[in-house]
Amino acid sequence: DVKVTQSSRYLVKRTGEKVFLECVQDMDHENMFWYRQDPGLGLRLIYFSYDVKMKEKGDIPEGYSVSREKKERFSLILESASTNQTSMYLCASRAQQLGGNTIYFGEGSWLTVV
Amino acid sequence: QQPVQSPQAVILREGEDAVINCSSSKALYSVHWYRQKHGEAPVFLMILLKGGEQKGHDKISASFNEKKQQSSLYLTASQLSYSGTYFCGTDRYSGGGADGLTFGKGTHLIIQP
Repeated sequence: DVKVTQSSRYLVKRTGEKVFLECVQDMDHENMFWYRQDPGLGLRLIYFSYDVKMKEKGDIPEGYSVSREKKERFSLILESASTNQTSMYLCASRAQQLGGNTIYFGEGSWLTVV
Repeated sequence: QQPVQSPQAVILREGEDAVINCSSSKALYSVHWYRQKHGEAPVFLMILLKGGEQKGHDKISASFNEKKQQSSLYLTASQLSYSGTYFCGTDRYSGGGADGLTFGKGTHLIIQP
């Protein structure tokens, strides 16, 4: 069974703290993604990676960075957390093939910045 | 460009049918449909490919009109378990998988007994 695991389900952080969200997939997928989900806005892509050490900006990368040191692991970093980054964060992975390949999501990480 | 979903919300009684629409302003390689329950991750339902191939759920059907850049999800004889938010996703660029999906804002479906 496919598995995308986000290590932290619920976090509360203070403004200005550095926050790490970790994600691991066991499907040997080349591509990994971080999305943010907010009510009324749907899912928005923050960053993605198509290979180890490679990263690309998504639609809302400001205030975030990522790290991919191993194929199975993709981390989202908030260098200095702010209250407007309170949200649900979803990690996902996808195989590299043309057409027919879906995205698999992790269970999500609920981050509250106070 | 984010695909546009309609309606934003729908309330049905158990056993009724529902149609959820998804339209895009750009050419589509594929359309992906997901359902999300409150507090949970989106779960894959169905993918429709350019050329007519369809993969996914056996109790839910969908159509993909490439010329109109539209897809519709059909839920027939709805069950209580169908409640949730439905999202359509489209390839951001090439359809090769690397650049992910862009999602609509979602359609909230409530099924009442």
